[in-house]
Amino acid sequence: GAGVSQSPRYKVAKRGQDVALRCDPISGHVSLFWYQQALGQGPEFLTYFQNEAQLDKSGLPSDRFFAERPEGSVSTLKIQRTQQEDSAVYLCASSLFPGVGETQYFGPGTRLLVL
Amino acid sequence: TQLLEQSPQFLSIQEGENLTVYCNSSSVFSSLQWYRQEPGEGPVLLVTVVTGGEVKKLKRLTFQFGDARKDSSLHITAAQPGDTGLYLCAGAETGTASKLTFGTGTRLQVTL
Repeated sequence: GAGVSQSPRYKVAKRGQDVALRCDPISGHVSLFWYQQALGQGPEFLTYFQNEAQLDKSGLPSDRFFAERPEGSVSTLKIQRTQQEDSAVYLCASSLFPGVGETQYFGPGTRLLVL
Repeated sequence: TQLLEQSPQFLSIQEGENLTVYCNSSSVFSSLQWYRQEPGEGPVLLVTVVTGGEVKKLKRLTFQFGDARKDSSLHITAAQPGDTGLYLCAGAETGTASKLTFGTGTRLQVTL
């Protein structure tokens, strides 16, 4: 069965460019999460969707970061005017239902390098 | 800000040795999960513990959740090269839906 997929797998951007990262969750999964993982660190929460509703965006580091999930399936994380400190792996995860203890299935991540 | 501290950060051991990884926090978690992540991949769930004092065994891996639900440990018996990877604990705080707070990670290398 298909897991969570993310594209592109690698992205090199020049400082100041806008980037868009895509996440295809497991079909039928209600919850979708974005995490940012810096080199050598654990992932850090960015934002959470339940269907198309963005219920928590407390982890977005600045207003340059924007996420959407307009039809409750595919999600896009957009970073405007990228900075070098945005270099990281961006992980997407989905779970069948919302709620504590639900298994989150992670995609392979998009590795972003900002030069 | 990482609320979960893991120790040790790095561990290099030989095949057959035992090891324990610790995950500590000042926060109470309604559940705690352990993941393993390999290079170029996303984290993969190993286990979820939800009850204070709970112990779960998964083959050679033993997971324990502290009585106060603030800490956890992962013990591996007779480590194998296939156990190599980044081990992450992650907690779900009460009232935050399923948002996870990840630990700082423990990188394990098991050599022949």
